[in-house]
Amino acid sequence: DTGVSQNPRHKITKRGQNVTFRCDPISEHNRLYWYRQTLGQGPEFLTYFQNEAQLEKSRLLSDRFSAERPKGSFSTLEIQRTEQGDSAMYLCASLNTGTYTQYFGPGTRLTVL
Amino acid sequence: QQQVKQSPQSLIVQKGGISIINCAYENTAFDYFPWYQQFPGKGPALLIAIRPDVSEKKEGRFTISFNKSAKQFSLHIMDSQPGDSATYFCAASMTGANNLFFGTGTRLTVIP
Repeated sequence: DTGVSQNPRHKITKRGQNVTFRCDPISEHNRLYWYRQTLGQGPEFLTYFQNEAQLEKSRLLSDRFSAERPKGSFSTLEIQRTEQGDSAMYLCASLNTGTYTQYFGPGTRLTVL
Repeated sequence: QQQVKQSPQSLIVQKGGISIINCAYENTAFDYFPWYQQFPGKGPALLIAIRPDVSEKKEGRFTISFNKSAKQFSLHIMDSQPGDSATYFCAASMTGANNLFFGTGTRLTVIP
């Protein structure tokens, strides 16, 4: 069990640019979740995958956001035309369906200037 | 709206004392209630979790108390240590999607 990894750990970008984050879940976990956490708040659900299928998207996930999990392993989250309000920590988690435990990665901190 | 309400926002406890954090929920479909610990710059890590068929669960110094009728649950940290200083989040989820609804967090500081 190597844990959930996320890359990059930090990303600074200018408003209007596109950014992409990657998440590698725990290998035997077929469910993968994306959350967004702003300063001083708890994580908020964005979307989740069961294998390669994206099953649910939050209203927080605007049209500028897209997530993929092409082979049911790693996932990417892309934000197009970034805005300053997108500045946050983006967290990925994978689920152990036996214990219902979600294991979180270290997150990608996005700063939009 | 906030599906899980958490209090207090911050808590200062002396070393060796008991830290108590409270959460309340409205959605009776929730059937899994975890507590996560988060250190600055890190992702949340599961501390302890409970299902509504039991009223209490203890793991080491950490205890969850669960009151189904009041729709409330709490975390008790016994013999609090400076290393426990972190932000604690309660959360809830329901069978199916299992996505977590988090509280707003409690910043715990344990003074030596």
